[in-house]
Amino acid sequence: ELKVEQNPLFLSMQEGKNYTIYCNYSTTSDRLYWYRQDPGKSLESLFVLLSNGAVKQEGRLMASLDTKARLSTLHITAAVHDLSATYFCAVGENNDMRFGAGTRLTVKP
Amino acid sequence: DAGITQSPRHKVTETGTPVTLRCHQTENHRYMYWYRQDPGHGLRLIHYSYGVKDTDKGEVSDGYSVSRSKTEDFLLTLESATSSQTSVYFCAISLLWDTEAFFGQGTRLTVV
Repeated sequence: ELKVEQNPLFLSMQEGKNYTIYCNYSTTSDRLYWYRQDPGKSLESLFVLLSNGAVKQEGRLMASLDTKARLSTLHITAAVHDLSATYFCAVGENNDMRFGAGTRLTVKP
Repeated sequence: DAGITQSPRHKVTETGTPVTLRCHQTENHRYMYWYRQDPGHGLRLIHYSYGVKDTDKGEVSDGYSVSRSKTEDFLLTLESATSSQTSVYFCAISLLWDTEAFFGQGTRLTVV
């Protein structure tokens, strides 16, 4: 059974600091997605990673995928308050997309 | 939003009653999904569709059925609502099986 584990589940950061969110999964999938969700809102797609070694960056966020280690990371550089949200990774297998439990990020001034 | 409308947005229903949630898309995407979101569980797939009248079960399909008679509409039915089905339900669409999914605004369902 495909399992997806994110850590940490809760993250409180100060503005300007760097941090990494980890997403481990249990299968050999090479489809990994990152989403953002603001409180009470829907999910917004951030990154789609479809091959080993894939790296994508958008602003202060950078995502990478290591299929051999079954690990994806979401790195936050110089955090700002606007990045406060819950971040989900999701792993694709067949027609399914299995989500991690989410990392609730709070960026404090 | 990528042309996805969920209805209703909020619903309170009694235990044992049937409930139908609707997802309507204007993007002509082939794949449609129903997820439920509960604290500590992320999102869990209930059912999905890969074409008109083509559907399959997801991780947590018990107590739910779906139908897709048109490309643009995907219906989720709770056959006999239970309190454990109190949740936020999200519809999602994707163009292909491996492309990103776009999510609707969600339906908050409370079963009392």
